[in-house]
Amino acid sequence: GDSVTQMEGPVTLSEEAFLTINCTYTATGYPSLFWYVQYPGEGLQLLLKATKADDKGSNKGFEATYRKETTSFHLEKGSVQVSDSAVYFCALKGRQAGKSTFGDGTTLTVKP
Amino acid sequence: GAGVSQSPRYKVAKRGQDVALRCDPISGHVSLFWYQQALGQGPEFLTYFQNEAQLDKSGLPSDRFFAERPEGSVSTLKIQRTQQEDSAVYLCASSLADHTYGYTFGSGTRLTVV
Repeated sequence: GDSVTQMEGPVTLSEEAFLTINCTYTATGYPSLFWYVQYPGEGLQLLLKATKADDKGSNKGFEATYRKETTSFHLEKGSVQVSDSAVYFCALKGRQAGKSTFGDGTTLTVKP
Repeated sequence: GAGVSQSPRYKVAKRGQDVALRCDPISGHVSLFWYQQALGQGPEFLTYFQNEAQLDKSGLPSDRFFAERPEGSVSTLKIQRTQQEDSAVYLCASSLADHTYGYTFGSGTRLTVV
């Protein structure tokens, strides 16, 4: 079945550092890929998405490129802020109608 | 409404008690989903509705779990004879017809079974 593997956390960075959170997936066919973010005390929010190979999703300075050859969708940001501290989830939408598969989340803490 | 609303936010149930969790999706969102999130893990799919039709319930862990959406808007997830392993956050999400574009999640209901 479908699966998503995320880089284990927690990740702690200083403000303005470069961020990468790795995500790889296993799925049949051509899934859609997503990053969701969960700020403390809030629900999951869609951060960005890509629906086909080589697409780049971007939002709020975050980017991720759908790489079919490496089955990856790594999240990057050039300069993190304290306000980016949150839990980040990689997810895919595969063939099965209705179901998305999520990774276990990566906790990011950014220190001033 | 402006977002997906879930109630209650917190629920403590004694083992063996029945519980009902409510989800009020964004107006006009055809698709509605329930997920279960254990502590430190990602959400796990439970069930999916398109309008009032439950199209996939393959993720429901046992026949103690039941979900309905009778009028195609508000949904209720019911858990009968709760057990300690049911303790988790239950998330509801909705989307426009084609959920390839991602979900809007509610804040969840944290269920603790004691």
